[in-house]
Amino acid sequence: QKEVEQNSGPLSVPEGAIASLNCTYSDRVSQSFFWYRQYSGKSPELIMSIYSNGDKEDGRFTAQLNKASQYVSLLIRDSQPSDSATYLCAVNIGNTGKLIFGQGTTLQVKP
Amino acid sequence: EPEVTQTPSHQVTQMGQEVILRCVPISNHLYFYWYRQILGQKVEFLVSFYNNEISEKSEIFDDQFSVERPDGSNFTLKIRSTKLEDSAMYFCASRVRDRNTEAFFGQGTRLTVV
Repeated sequence: QKEVEQNSGPLSVPEGAIASLNCTYSDRVSQSFFWYRQYSGKSPELIMSIYSNGDKEDGRFTAQLNKASQYVSLLIRDSQPSDSATYLCAVNIGNTGKLIFGQGTTLQVKP
Repeated sequence: EPEVTQTPSHQVTQMGQEVILRCVPISNHLYFYWYRQILGQKVEFLVSFYNNEISEKSEIFDDQFSVERPDGSNFTLKIRSTKLEDSAMYFCASRVRDRNTEAFFGQGTRLTVV
């Protein structure tokens, strides 16, 4: 049973546009949610964390969490070609802090 | 800025051989993890480690795998008898606490079993 779901994409947006990435999860007791960026052949790089319902903004990035709908999203404003990467949604499940990852959404920002 | 470091960056090994992947977590972090990512697939949890013992392991983490924290800084993953299907990127991660804190990943070790 899949626990974290993302649309694999690719999601293609023009430079300067807003990119919207979505993720759903199945475990209702999950408390911590993370977005990582992964360039090809590299390791996951933390972009945002969010722990409570609502929006959290950090520079051009906004994470949104809706626990009732089991939905978390990432908005990237003023997208740049350097934002082109795979964005991984990760959910903290259980008491040991392990992360369950989605399969990632590939974002392409076209100049 | 503190970071998780992993060595080697790339390891090629013969099927059936033992490999040890090494990690140095961030110094004040207490929770350590290994994940793997087979080419083109999602990042998968292998094992979590706290207070010098395994706190959780996945189905992937069978008897061929073991972890150890041999001293105050290193955290190792050993694969006793490698199989072709063990070829993957292996990532070490650490975090300060078990929940509601961020996990930081090392740059990974690419393991190729031939």
